[in-house]
This record gives sequence, structure tokens and C-alpha cells, in this order.
Amino acid sequence: GEDVEQSLFLSVREGDSSVINCTYTDSSSTYLYWYKQEPGAGLQLLTYIFSNMDMKQDQRLTVLLNKKDKHLSLRIADTQTGDSAIYFCAESMAPVNTDKLIFGTGTRLQVFP
Amino acid sequence: NAGVTQTPKFQVLKTGQSMTLQCAQDMNHNSMYWYRQDPGMGLRLIYYSASEGTTDKGEVPNGYNVSRLNKREFSLRLESAAPSQTSVYFCASRTRRDEQFFGPGTRLTVL
Repeated sequence: GEDVEQSLFLSVREGDSSVINCTYTDSSSTYLYWYKQEPGAGLQLLTYIFSNMDMKQDQRLTVLLNKKDKHLSLRIADTQTGDSAIYFCAESMAPVNTDKLIFGTGTRLQVFP
Repeated sequence: NAGVTQTPKFQVLKTGQSMTLQCAQDMNHNSMYWYRQDPGMGLRLIYYSASEGTTDKGEVPNGYNVSRLNKREFSLRLESAAPSQTSVYFCASRTRRDEQFFGPGTRLTVL
């Protein structure tokens, strides 16, 4: 079945790196996404990775994809207090169903001084 | 370009009351979605619409109805609200690259 799993909480010190992990079940997913949700707001797309890539870097963000283990991670370098939020990974159900994304439960990142 | 807008931002209902949550997008996207977000459960898809005139059930459709009024608007209706429908509701629309844009959410409390 379709299932995306994440740990619920992560706490890091300001300036350290954060690594948020996600496992998914559908090996046919075309795209995998990371979304950020700040308090009281909707989800905003942070970054995405195409399934034929192993790594994608975008400024402080690094996405690693291990297709064999169906494992996705998001690394935030030099974590700041403004990075405190809930982070969701999501997988696209394309090509089977291009209309649906399956979201994980979200990881709440807390950054302390 | 406002993106995805939702109204209202907050709503309190009594059990059995009805209401409609409104959503509109100005990005000319074909697909639109309604999700609910509950603590520890992530986002669950209620209904979606792949194009104007079509709607399909998602993971948790019971107790809800939807209308895709035109390409821009996708509304969610609760005919007889129940406390179990207390949640935060998000509308989203999708680009061709499967990226979804989200509205700011509607916080609904059913007493």
C-alpha cells in the first residue's frame, strides 16, 4: 500500500546541521518532495527531486535519495531559528496516478539557541 | 497573482450545522485538492478534481461533498458537521510537474 513515514520530532542547536528522514513505499514514484509548514500557515514547497537522481543541492538544503532502500532525506546546513517548522515529505503517484501526492506525517523541527 | 486563496480562515460550528469552505486559484491549474490536517496524522486527501467538471474521492471523503464550479474554484461542503470534522482544511492546486501549491488553511471547530 501507499505509506510515507517520518519521525515526529527533531531538535537541533542553532548552527548545527539538521537531517530529516523519510521512507516511502512506492518505487514507481516519479517525484519526491519536501514541504515546509510554518505555524499557522499552509505548506510551501521547499525542494523536490526526480526519481532518477541521487542528490540535489539548493543553497543550505541537500536532498539525498536512496531508491534501493526507498529512503529520502533532507539536510539543512547551518540551521537557523527561522527553520523551526514542520517538514513533510511527499511522493508523487505518477505515472500510475498523476493526480495524487502521498504525504508523510510531518517532522517538527525545533531549533534552539 | 494571489496563488491559492481560502475562505473563511476560521469557523466554529455546532454539531449538525452545515457550511461551505471556498477555494480559488489564479494559476490556471487543472487539478485541485482538499486535504485535512490532524495532529500526528499528516495530510489526508478528502476529494480532488483533475479538471473542471470532474471530482474524485480521496482517502477520507465521508461527510463531505465538493463542487468544481469552474476551473478557478473548488468548494468543500459539510452538510451536517460532526466533532470529528474539527480540523485544519487545506486546498491545493497542482502544476504539470506534480508540484502542489497550498492555500493558508481554514481552521474549523465543531462543538
